[in-house]
Amino acid sequence: DSGVTQTPKHLITATGQRVTLRCSPRSGDLSVYWYQQSLDQGLQFLIQYYNGEERAKGNILERFSAQQFPDLHSELNLSSLELGDSALYFCASSPVSGGPGLDRNEQFFGPGTRLTVL
Amino acid sequence: GEDVEQSLFLSVREGDSSVINCTYTDSSSTYLYWYKQEPGAGLQLLTYIFSNMDMKQDQRLTVLLNKKDKHLSLRIADTQTGDSAIYFCAERFPSGGYNKLIFGAGTRLAVHP
Repeated sequence: DSGVTQTPKHLITATGQRVTLRCSPRSGDLSVYWYQQSLDQGLQFLIQYYNGEERAKGNILERFSAQQFPDLHSELNLSSLELGDSALYFCASSPVSGGPGLDRNEQFFGPGTRLTVL
Repeated sequence: GEDVEQSLFLSVREGDSSVINCTYTDSSSTYLYWYKQEPGAGLQLLTYIFSNMDMKQDQRLTVLLNKKDKHLSLRIADTQTGDSAIYFCAERFPSGGYNKLIFGAGTRLAVHP
């Protein structure tokens, strides 16, 4: 158990809908990362928040957005869903910002939310 | 460039050694990682190596880094059925003032009796 929790575990919805995935980082971790894992694209970094602020962006679609709240939990919002958005969405947390420097930036992954878009 | 490549599948007999290989493209990578993903679970960090090291050993795990060839390998000694999982190689390199983690596609390790 990494200490990172994600809800819900499974989500089934229809095309065009909007969903919200939730992540609670490990106690004390300030960084939250979101990843998408699909069969054809592998594990793709979407976005990082550090202490409430967006820190780095990866391959995140404009239909997707995220935020990190004062209690450090984070939500990933996916809208206008398409069939191709079906994937496992992972959240990871880290105590450090991931900024320049030589800290090893170990990321602790949650169990994931499996999203199925029908 | 941002590309991490791994072979997709490896099958070994229980008790043998497993070697999972990875190549990466960015020579400015500072850390390289090996993550393990068991069925239905998230990724778990197994081990990591700093870019100025050639080798790191941690119990049954040995990581070898060849910076010249940008090649990373993970050796698992005395492989057990519980080692069956997907293994991801990842590199960390600076991008836009911050460090990004880029993952390979994962190698599925199957351990058979």
